[in-house]
Amino acid sequence: EVQLVESGGGLVQPGGSLRLSCAASGFTFSNSWMTWVRQAPGKGLEWVANIKQDGSEKYYVDSVKGRFTISRDNAMNSLFLQMNSLRAEDTAVYYCARDLRYHRVGTDWGQGTLVTVSS
Amino acid sequence: DIQMTQSPSSLSASVGDRVTITCRASQGISNYLAWFQQKPGKVPKSLIYAASSLQSGVPSKFSGSGSGTDFTLTISSLQPEDFATYYCQQYNSYPLTFGGGTKVEIK
Repeated sequence: EVQLVESGGGLVQPGGSLRLSCAASGFTFSNSWMTWVRQAPGKGLEWVANIKQDGSEKYYVDSVKGRFTISRDNAMNSLFLQMNSLRAEDTAVYYCARDLRYHRVGTDWGQGTLVTVSS
Repeated sequence: DIQMTQSPSSLSASVGDRVTITCRASQGISNYLAWFQQKPGKVPKSLIYAASSLQSGVPSKFSGSGSGTDFTLTISSLQPEDFATYYCQQYNSYPLTFGGGTKVEIK
């Protein structure tokens, strides 16, 4: 059974940093593109970033470029999102997702971790 | 960036109704279109990829069609468990983008 468990969310002040983690199990992590998607309270889904199997390709939504960094550790079956210079508008539930093979579509999702940026 | 526009933003329907949701891309995306279902307080669930391919385990009452800029998600006979918000997502080009969502409510 595929399991994705996010952690690292919490309350942080504007301008602060946070590192999210996603522990993966039940599939061959090193064979999968991985994605972060977020959802602000009461709002829709927003794709944030994704990363290729070997980490050689990474893509970001414009609003987080230069502030967020996606990475992975295939030996530890883990996905990360380093978030710096956080803003109030980054407040959201952050989901990690495993992409479908050959399609950049999140097919398995974690339960999400809430990030709140507020003073 | 490619903008994804869903319509309607919400709809009311009865159990047994046939429901159609549309998604329009601001430029052609071939068939790189996915649909998701999200129930209140729950994790999004992938329903369809490549515009019309059903994800494993998704019931056949869901179907998708379209190519280029115009796409539809159809629920053939709405059941109580189908009341949810539905999102389309294009994955033709970066940044990947979602539509604003369509909330399907009980009439």
